[in-house]
Amino acid sequence: GAVVSQHPSWVICKSGTSVKIECRSLDFQATTMFWYRQFPKQSLMLMATSNEGSKATYEQGVEKDKFLINHASLTLSTLTVTSAHPEDSSFYICSASALAGSYEQYFGPGTRLTVT
Amino acid sequence: QQQVKQSPQSLIVQKGGISIINCAYENTAFDYFPWYQQFPGKGPALLIAIRPDVSEKKEGRFTISFNKSAKQFSLHIMDSQPGDSATYFCAASKVPPGNKLVFGAGTILRVKS
Repeated sequence: GAVVSQHPSWVICKSGTSVKIECRSLDFQATTMFWYRQFPKQSLMLMATSNEGSKATYEQGVEKDKFLINHASLTLSTLTVTSAHPEDSSFYICSASALAGSYEQYFGPGTRLTVT
Repeated sequence: QQQVKQSPQSLIVQKGGISIINCAYENTAFDYFPWYQQFPGKGPALLIAIRPDVSEKKEGRFTISFNKSAKQFSLHIMDSQPGDSATYFCAASKVPPGNKLVFGAGTILRVKS
């Protein structure tokens, strides 16, 4: 149980275009979803926290207008990287918490974004 | 106050040996301390986690030791195997709903056969 999927697993896009990444909780309802970014050989950095039906809360230094997060349902959150640039190339990982008050976060497999 | 410091950066252990990774934190509001294992190109997977009300938790070959007064916790991997070679992250979070995870820098473990 507690499986989180991401789509696509990897994507290549041209500079200036936008790309959408989906995060789905497959067998549970996720009250809260989190988006992380991980550069090669580095740790995970939290980008934003989203609750279903609410606006996402972004971490300091993360551009809200560049990284659009939508948590439309209890099983789906999307991250859209707008006007992507090569420096946005990274590994994007989502996680989800099953219950309000739950400590555990279940992580997706990640999406490798390469901007050319 | 939000940082979690992890050491060592990398670790080489012989097959069958014990792997030990340490983490330290400053924020006493942290209430949950998980360890994650990550293989290249994959998302992190929860290995084991502990709350401050216990000093040790064991699950199979993995043990967390927790020292609340020193604000330190560690992961011990007993009988380390080549398949354990991965990057390990410690993390910490506060009580939900403010349970954003703060990650350590990671430790690259290599188990030599």
